[in-house]
Amino acid sequence: QQQVKQSPQSLIVQKGGISIINCAYENTAFDYFPWYQQFPGKGPALLIAIRPDVSEKKEGRFTISFNKSAKQFSLHIMDSQPGDSATYFCAASSYSGAGSYQLTFGKGTKLSVIP
Amino acid sequence: DSGVTQTPKHLITATGQRVTLRCSPRSGDLSVYWYQQSLDQGLQFLIQYYNGEERAKGNILERFSAQQFPDLHSELNLSSLELGDSALYFCASSGGNSYNEQFFGPGTRLTVL
Repeated sequence: QQQVKQSPQSLIVQKGGISIINCAYENTAFDYFPWYQQFPGKGPALLIAIRPDVSEKKEGRFTISFNKSAKQFSLHIMDSQPGDSATYFCAASSYSGAGSYQLTFGKGTKLSVIP
Repeated sequence: DSGVTQTPKHLITATGQRVTLRCSPRSGDLSVYWYQQSLDQGLQFLIQYYNGEERAKGNILERFSAQQFPDLHSELNLSSLELGDSALYFCASSGGNSYNEQFFGPGTRLTVL
């Protein structure tokens, strides 16, 4: 059972445009929602994260929007650049006791920013 | 650079063999998580250790096992390897001010022939 659904699977955006990736979750116990960026041959890198007590978090060109009632969150990349071309994963986690926070990942979105 | 190191970077082996993947967490992090990344399954959580003790299990096969040593490095052992075990294996570590934040290593690419 996929607990975090991510869309689209792939995305092509013009340089300078806005990239939008969406995720939806089912488990209401999730209380931490990070986004990871992965370049080919590299490990996922933590990009930005949000907790459900806020509806939006912005860091530079990256913004997370969070809708708790709809159980959805999204990543917006403003002024997209060719260097942003990578695979983006949304994730969700909850504390499961004894120092354990398990991340459940979406399937990923391959973003291509064309000049 | 996340501060998490993994060795080896690449591993090629044959079916039925056994391999060991190694991970060193960021300095000060007590938790180590192992993930498998394949094209069709995405990133799947395998197992977590915290300060030497197993804390959580995900979709880990019985042929796979892990441990965390007193110096906090961790090893993932994969045995009786099958073609389908070919994948990228990542470890991540967390700790310090925020146990939620997991920082990933560069991964080990395992190819089973």
